[in-house]
Amino acid sequence: DSGVTQTPKHLITATGQRVTLRCSPRSGDLSVYWYQQSLDQGLQFLIHYYNGEERAKGNILERFSAQQFPDLHSELNLSSLELGDSALYFCASSASGSTEAFFGQGTRLTVV
Amino acid sequence: QQPVQSPQAVILREGEDAVINCSSSKALYSVHWYRQKHGEAPVFLMILLKGGEQKGHEKISASFNEKKQQSSLYLTASQLSYSGTYFCGTEPYSGAGSYQLTFGKGTKLSVIP
Repeated sequence: DSGVTQTPKHLITATGQRVTLRCSPRSGDLSVYWYQQSLDQGLQFLIHYYNGEERAKGNILERFSAQQFPDLHSELNLSSLELGDSALYFCASSASGSTEAFFGQGTRLTVV
Repeated sequence: QQPVQSPQAVILREGEDAVINCSSSKALYSVHWYRQKHGEAPVFLMILLKGGEQKGHEKISASFNEKKQQSSLYLTASQLSYSGTYFCGTEPYSGAGSYQLTFGKGTKLSVIP
């Protein structure tokens, strides 16, 4: 158990819908990262938050947004969902000054 | 740009050694190595930050040739528990410290008895 909690574990939704994925980082970790993993694209970095502020943005679609709240948990919002958004979404966290990231078990999103 | 990992897959018998390579076309600030077992989350193995640096963790070590933008992961005396897909994640100099990693497609390692 990495200490990073993601909910829900599985999510099935229809095209055009909006979903919110939630991540609770390890206790004390200020950094939260979101990744998307699909068979064809592999593991892709989406976004990095540090203590509530956006630090880096990767290949994140405009239909996707994220935020980190004062209690450090983070949410990834996916809207106008398409079939191609079906993937495993991972959240990871790391402590301040550390480069070691701990991954949650992921949320498997299926868009039908 | 996505780093290139080689080989794509490798099958080893217990006790054999393996090398996994990761090459980038960009000047790199760091290389991160992860292992992911089927149906599980990636697990951090190590990070290499400077040219020529080599790190080790038990029987798994890695090197980073900054001039060639290459990193290699060495697995010695492989164990069944080493099976999984190994990913390298690269961080370019332009994004140093942002931990904005670009991952390779992975190398699937299978260790058989």
